Amino acid sequence: QVQLQESGPGLVKASETLSLNCTVSGGSISSYYWTWVRQPPGKGLEWIGYIYYNGRADYNPSLKSRVAISIDTSKNHFSLRLTSVTAADTAVYYCARCRDASGYLGLDPWGRGTLVTVSS
Amino acid sequence: QPALTQPASVSGSPGQSITISCTGTSNYVGDFMYVSWYQHHPGKAPRLLIYAVDKRPSGVSSRFSGSKSGNTASLTISGLQAEDEGDYYCCSFAISTNFVFGGGTRLTVL
Repeated sequence: QVQLQESGPGLVKASETLSLNCTVSGGSISSYYWTWVRQPPGKGLEWIGYIYYNGRADYNPSLKSRVAISIDTSKNHFSLRLTSVTAADTAVYYCARCRDASGYLGLDPWGRGTLVTVSS
Repeated sequence: QPALTQPASVSGSPGQSITISCTGTSNYVGDFMYVSWYQHHPGKAPRLLIYAVDKRPSGVSSRFSGSKSGNTASLTISGLQAEDEGDYYCCSFAISTNFVFGGGTRLTVL
């Protein structure tokens, strides 16, 4: 079965760029929409954006100016870059698979998440 | 700005049923038919429980069921078990912001 695993630095300095990878195992990344979601401490989930296997991406308007999601089908992974980070970007970052563009079929499966702390 | 409102917390005793509501403000696609529900135990991967309002993925217990009335979707858990304790989130697709999550509901099994 498909499994997702997030990886990347757990500590990023304010004003710098957060970069995370999500490796997909047990299935091909060459289909579906690959998604990033985050959860700040003590708060709820926030959709960051997703990328289709052909490279077409869409983002949360509140983050659009700072976020980029890319995909590497040869390595079966996709990546998140978030620029100019502040303390408000401290969160657990999750990657997930979305089987259709509008989420009708839900997000499934998810990775376990990785905590990224923005330090001053 | 579209938003989904959930109660902050609900509780119930083992064997009982509980219902978590999720009310959408506006601008949801398909008359709110794109609602999904997730279970989250801290430190673990969130798990899809319900998609398209009332459909259960394979492997999800029939104790979990979904429904909707107008712009309010609901998740019902019957025969509560200790392992059901955790956080529950609804999610829907909105025209202007794509995916929106509810604020989450903490379920306590007494």
